[in-house]
Amino acid sequence: GAVVSQHPSWVICKSGTSVKIECRSLDFQATTMFWYRQFPKQSLMLMATSNEGSKATYEQGVEKDKFLINHASLTLSTLTVTSAHPEDSSFYICSAKTGRYGYTFGSGTRLTVV
Amino acid sequence: GDSVTQMEGPVTLSEEAFLTINCTYTATGYPSLFWYVQYPGEGLQLLLKATKADDKGSNKGFEATYRKETTSFHLEKGSVQVSDSAVYFCALNNYGQNFVFGPGTRLSVLP
Repeated sequence: GAVVSQHPSWVICKSGTSVKIECRSLDFQATTMFWYRQFPKQSLMLMATSNEGSKATYEQGVEKDKFLINHASLTLSTLTVTSAHPEDSSFYICSAKTGRYGYTFGSGTRLTVV
Repeated sequence: GDSVTQMEGPVTLSEEAFLTINCTYTATGYPSLFWYVQYPGEGLQLLLKATKADDKGSNKGFEATYRKETTSFHLEKGSVQVSDSAVYFCALNNYGQNFVFGPGTRLSVLP
């Protein structure tokens, strides 16, 4: 089946540094990638939607200058958390549509900012 | 906008007990409905789905029926196991756009 490979699985970084998260579609072309965030013991909330070759659409309250999304090819979308702070510590997960009713999620990235 | 409500738990059951996790939704049109499961420290796994009214999704002993008249998609399992301990998310997807998730229900099954 369709697989989205997400890396890294977990990362610890110092406050003020930037972290890049990659989601790569392995056997299909992901025209659209959705990025979600999950704070501890909370549900997943959509952060942004990225379309290959165009600017991402961000949800209300999500800082586009802080969470940079790049979707330069049909098989790779990246989320960069710039100048990370402890409040950015969260579980980030991507999702791509694989068919009319098919969707696949990455395995997620647990970010801890210290 | 679209929304999903589900019982938040935590739910604690003994092994072999019957499980019900209620889920209701609000949406325009006719969304597809899903249950996802998240085991500790892992990402999301699709448990089951239904794409139209009266469809029943089933997998690994779990099942849920898409009830348009009550806008519900309750998850059930007749006999839970310790290995079913996880967080369960009800979700909808409207016309192939992003998912809207419920708050999640943490299930703990005791031996």
